This record gives sequence, C-alpha cells and structure tokens, in this order.
Amino acid sequence: GNSVTQMEGPVTLSEEAFLTINCTYTATGYPSLFWYVQYPGEGLQLLLKATKADDKGSNKGFEATYRKETTSFHLEKGSVQVSDSAVYFCALRGPLTFGNEKLTFGTGTRLTIIP
Amino acid sequence: DGGITQSPKYLFRKEGQNVTLSCEQNLNHDAMYWYRQDPGQGLRLIYYSQIVNDFQKGDIAEGYSVSREKKESFPLTVTSAQKNPTAFYLCASSPDRAGGYTFGSGTRLTVV
Repeated sequence: GNSVTQMEGPVTLSEEAFLTINCTYTATGYPSLFWYVQYPGEGLQLLLKATKADDKGSNKGFEATYRKETTSFHLEKGSVQVSDSAVYFCALRGPLTFGNEKLTFGTGTRLTIIP
Repeated sequence: DGGITQSPKYLFRKEGQNVTLSCEQNLNHDAMYWYRQDPGQGLRLIYYSQIVNDFQKGDIAEGYSVSREKKESFPLTVTSAQKNPTAFYLCASSPDRAGGYTFGSGTRLTVV
C-alpha cells in the first residue's frame, strides 16, 4: 500500500536559516504529492503540490520537487521566519484506481523558529 | 467564498453522552472525510464518504457514526461507546479522487 515517511521532529531553527524537511514515499504508479501546514489550533492548509515527476511546487517561499528516482518530495525554504512555526505534513494520493480514494499522510513535523 | 465550516469550534461533553459535530461545505465537492488528531500526533481517519448516501469506515471508526444525506453535509456523532473522545476533529473535502483536500478549521472536543 501507499506510505509516507517524514523527517522526525521537532525541528528548531533560528530566523533566516535554511529549512529542509525530508519526505519519502512508497506508492505504485505516479502519485500526486502534497505539503500541508497546520498552525496552532487550526485545520490543515494546502501549502504546495506536484502531480508528476520533476514538477516543482512552490508557495510563500517554500518549494518541493517531485523526484521519482528517489521517491522523495522534500520541503525547502531559503530563509525561515518566526511566522513559519507550524506543523508540516507530507501527503500523497495514488493514481485513480481502487484503493486510492484517500490521501495518505505522514506523521507531521513540528517546526519552531526562534527570533 | 467557498469553504468548509465546522461547528462548534469548542465542545464539551459529559461522559456517557452522544455529541454531534457539524461539517458543511459549499465547494460542491463529492468526497468528505473525518479525521481525529490527538495532541502532538498525526491524523487518523475515522470515516469518509465518496458520494451522497454512502460512506466507509476509516482506521478508527469504533465509537463514531456518520451520515451523508446531502452533498454539502457530513456530520459526525461521537457516541458514548468512544472511550477516549477528547481530541481535535478535522473535516475535509475533495472534488474528486485525484486532488488534495480542503480542511475545515476543526472542532476541539473535551469530555468533562
């Protein structure tokens, strides 16, 4: 079945540091890949997505590239801010076949940015 | 603006009582989902529905029930059979079987 493995947290960085949160996946075929962000006390928001190999998703300074050869979708940001403190979830959705009706989520990575 | 509305934001329940959490969407999405999130934990799927009048159990359906009488609405009932109901509950919807989800802002349920 499908699975997502995320970098264990928590991650603590200083403001303006470079961020990488690793995400690797297992899936048959070519899944769509997503990063969601959850701020304290709120629901999840879609941060970015990629639907085919070599696609780069980007939003609010965050980027992730769909790497089929390494089955990875690592989240990066060049200079983090205190407002980026949140929990980040990697997720995948398999191709349109039976058993792929749902997103598969990683366990989430808590990010804290120190001023 | 289209979106998903969960209500109430905070809910308190006495032990032994059933309680219903509301989830309404005006996105015209076919699929809807309920997740449970415990402090510092990931998401666990409770129930999901791909179409009106049909729904399937997720990974932790015991002690919960749902209905899908309208496309826009997918209420979740937490029954007295659910032994540890205190958690953050998230509702989501999806337009098809290929896209991502849109999430509501959640309901925090506390048993007192």
